[in-house]
Amino acid sequence: SQTIHQWPATLVQPVGSPLSLECTVEGTSNPNLYWYRQAAGRGLQLLFYSVGIGQISSEVPQNLSASRPQDRQFILSSKKLLLSDSGFYLCAWSTGGYYNSPLHFGNGTRLTVT
Amino acid sequence: KNEVEQSPQNLTAQEGEFITINCSYSVGISALHWLQQHPGGGIVSLFMLSSGKKKHGRLIATINIQEKHSSLHITASHPRDSAVYICAVRGQGAQKLVFGQGTRLTINP
Repeated sequence: SQTIHQWPATLVQPVGSPLSLECTVEGTSNPNLYWYRQAAGRGLQLLFYSVGIGQISSEVPQNLSASRPQDRQFILSSKKLLLSDSGFYLCAWSTGGYYNSPLHFGNGTRLTVT
Repeated sequence: KNEVEQSPQNLTAQEGEFITINCSYSVGISALHWLQQHPGGGIVSLFMLSSGKKKHGRLIATINIQEKHSSLHITASHPRDSAVYICAVRGQGAQKLVFGQGTRLTINP
């Protein structure tokens, strides 16, 4: 069966510090991978998605970046965090090659930038 | 105007009541998703549909493509159904989903 792992679950970082959130998927090949952010009291915002290794599409210009070094690994990074980066970050995957398939979410990382 | 509008934003009901959450959208779509976000933040995909009706346990999702409207129904509601329910649509030819703001459901015992 397929599983998605996302860590850490919570993170408190000072302004200006770097960020690295990691997401891995097991039990499937060539998944579509997504990073979403949910600010307090707001809806889900797509940040990045990837349809293959090294292929990253950015939806929102900001100081975050994403990388996909391996087929089932998706990393969200920042060189210098801003207060506005605080929020709940969710990684998700869907079946690659299918136009419509259900999304499967990780448990999320709650990031607080102080 | 948001592409995806959910109503109500908040809903409180007593255990056992029949619950309806609505989702209206403004674009032609290829699929509509209903998601459930638990109080801890985790999100579970409930349904993906492009026509008609789907049922899973006490949950029923319907969609009317012509009216650009979907409903999520919960029968015999239970306190464990308390969560935020999110509607999301994928526009025709679009890669990404557009999300509604969510409906916060609270079921009191």
